[in-house]
Amino acid sequence: EVHLVESGGGLVQPGGSLRLSCAASGFTFSSSDMHWVRQATGKGLEWVSAIGTAGDTFYPDSVRGRFTISRENAKNSLYLQMNSLRAGDTALYYCARGNILTCNYTACSFDIWGHGTMVTVSS
Amino acid sequence: DIVMTQSPDSLAVSLGERATINCKSSQSVLSSSNNKNYLAWYQQKPGQPPKLLIYWASTRQSGVPDRFSGSGSGTDFTLTISSLQAEDVAVYYCQHYFGTPLTFGGGTKVEIK
Repeated sequence: EVHLVESGGGLVQPGGSLRLSCAASGFTFSSSDMHWVRQATGKGLEWVSAIGTAGDTFYPDSVRGRFTISRENAKNSLYLQMNSLRAGDTALYYCARGNILTCNYTACSFDIWGHGTMVTVSS
Repeated sequence: DIVMTQSPDSLAVSLGERATINCKSSQSVLSSSNNKNYLAWYQQKPGQPPKLLIYWASTRQSGVPDRFSGSGSGTDFTLTISSLQAEDVAVYYCQHYFGTPLTFGGGTKVEIK
């Protein structure tokens, strides 16, 4: 069965750093574009980053220069290094797989989602 | 960036009746190279991650009941639930994947009347 399991969330002070991890199983991780999507409590969905199978990375302006997405195919793992965190980064962070039937230079719909890991930025 | 605007914000529909959700993109998500609309729909129930329902604007994901259908092209899209069931109570989101940044609509909450 296909699974994505996020970890690494927690409470961090503004300006601090946190590294999220996502463990994948049940599919060929190395062949999949992978993404992070976040959702503040009671709010909508916001795409945070993407990494293609060749390691190419993409970010929205809101996190570019502060967040770094990476992958380790040998460990079937996806990561998100988050630096210079702000209160506005407080959210549930989901790991999601790009739907291979739709991916266009790593722009994809998302067919598999984890259950998320909560990040709270507060003093 | 492509802005996705959904309407209404919420709607209440009687069991067995039709529910219609609209999504408008600020620019066309129709590709001239393959004539496909880069538009997906998701369902999110409380406490759960989103679930992919529809991609390419009208292709149902495997396992999704056929009461869910997607239509539209260019900048205007619709998700229709033909006969609302109790388990369809959720928030529904549209998303474009025409390029980065990927963006979602603000969501439409569907409830039982």
